[in-house]
Amino acid sequence: EVQLVESGGGLVQPGGSLRLSCAASGFTFSDHYMDWVRQAPGKGLEWVGRTRNKAKSYTTEYAASVKGRFTISRDDSKNSLYLQMNSLKTEDTAVYYCARVPYSSIGSFDLWGRGTLVTVSS
Amino acid sequence: EIVMTQSPATLSVSPGERATLSCRASQSVSSNLAWYQQKPGQAPRLLIYGASTRATGIPARFSGSGSGTEFTLTISSLQSEDFAVYYCQQYNNWPLWTFGQGTKVEIK
Repeated sequence: EVQLVESGGGLVQPGGSLRLSCAASGFTFSDHYMDWVRQAPGKGLEWVGRTRNKAKSYTTEYAASVKGRFTISRDDSKNSLYLQMNSLKTEDTAVYYCARVPYSSIGSFDLWGRGTLVTVSS
Repeated sequence: EIVMTQSPATLSVSPGERATLSCRASQSVSSNLAWYQQKPGQAPRLLIYGASTRATGIPARFSGSGSGTEFTLTISSLQSEDFAVYYCQQYNNWPLWTFGQGTKVEIK
């Protein structure tokens, strides 16, 4: 089955760190760019960042709101995507989705996980 | 940052009727626009990319149109499973992909 499954969310204090994982299956993970998108409770969607594939040297990009605090990485041998989140703020509270970028449209997302909730609170 | 504005915020439609959702960009995004459907507790689902191309497996009752700053998602005959929140997203201004705030389509 083609799917993405996120894990690693939870409650963390402001200033703390958390590492999210996304396990991919059913498709050639290594070929695709992969992104993280988040959704604060009751709010809309916000793009977080991207990792490209090996052909593009695994380069990464980040939204201004997380740049310098979040790091995206991947392990193609494990079909896994990661999001290391440091210096967390209350405004980082959200459901975090990993999303696949299709070959046909590198700006859209054609496969999403069910998300993992990150709550930043004291 | 390109701001995406969706209207209306809520659309009340009867099953079988046509629904027309709008998305406006604060500056031109060419045809670099996607639409997503999200149901409560679920991940978003890609409907349309390139402003008018249906994603794999999306029924023909969903259609997208527009370019530049004005875009429309039309659902020709609403089915019960279509009641959801719909988001537009621009991907013209890399690396600042931005989404609209969403339009909720509810049963009238």
